[in-house]
Amino acid sequence: GQNIDQPTEMTATEGAIVQINCTYQTSGFNGLFWYQQHAGEAPTFLSYNVLDGLEEKGRFSSFLSRSKGYSYLLLKELQMKDSASYLCAVRVYSSASKIIFGSGTRLSIRP
Amino acid sequence: KAGVTQTPRYLIKTRGQQVTLSCSPISGHRSVSWYQQTPGQGLQFLFEYFSETQRNKGNFPGRFSGRQFSNSRSEMNVSTLELGDSALYLCASSLGDSRGYTFGSGTRLTVV
Repeated sequence: GQNIDQPTEMTATEGAIVQINCTYQTSGFNGLFWYQQHAGEAPTFLSYNVLDGLEEKGRFSSFLSRSKGYSYLLLKELQMKDSASYLCAVRVYSSASKIIFGSGTRLSIRP
Repeated sequence: KAGVTQTPRYLIKTRGQQVTLSCSPISGHRSVSWYQQTPGQGLQFLFEYFSETQRNKGNFPGRFSGRQFSNSRSEMNVSTLELGDSALYLCASSLGDSRGYTFGSGTRLTVV
């Protein structure tokens, strides 16, 4: 089956760094996404990794290790507005592709 | 450029009724996917349509169905509603590339 695991909740301090981990067991892996979802809003795209390594985009970076089935999202210089759920999602391909989501990590930023 | 539009935003239905939700994708996006989001289960994949054809389907009962029209607009239908169908239903469109999905704001369905 397809399985994606990430911590349910995390707390961090404004200005600090936080790393949100994601492990997956899937067949037909075809890329990994991170989305941000504020309460009551739709998820928005943050990053995409298809090859091993680190992708940096401003304060956010995402890492992928395909051999380990592991990814993380790194958030630097945390701001209060970063309080949100972060969704790890994997695109899998069999006869057609689809994106499956983890349950999300709710990140709370304290002053 | 308009985003993904879902209507209605909120809906209250009674058990046993049926409901139809609508999604208009971003212009030029031919792929439309539907997800059910609940606090306990996260985003669960319902189905994906591309050029009016269902390309992929999740593990939901046959009460959940959908279709896509020639203008890429999509509808999903849930028949014989159950209390457990109460959820946020999200539609997402994409070009099928590394940019992933763009989600609509969702339809919040409450079944009473």
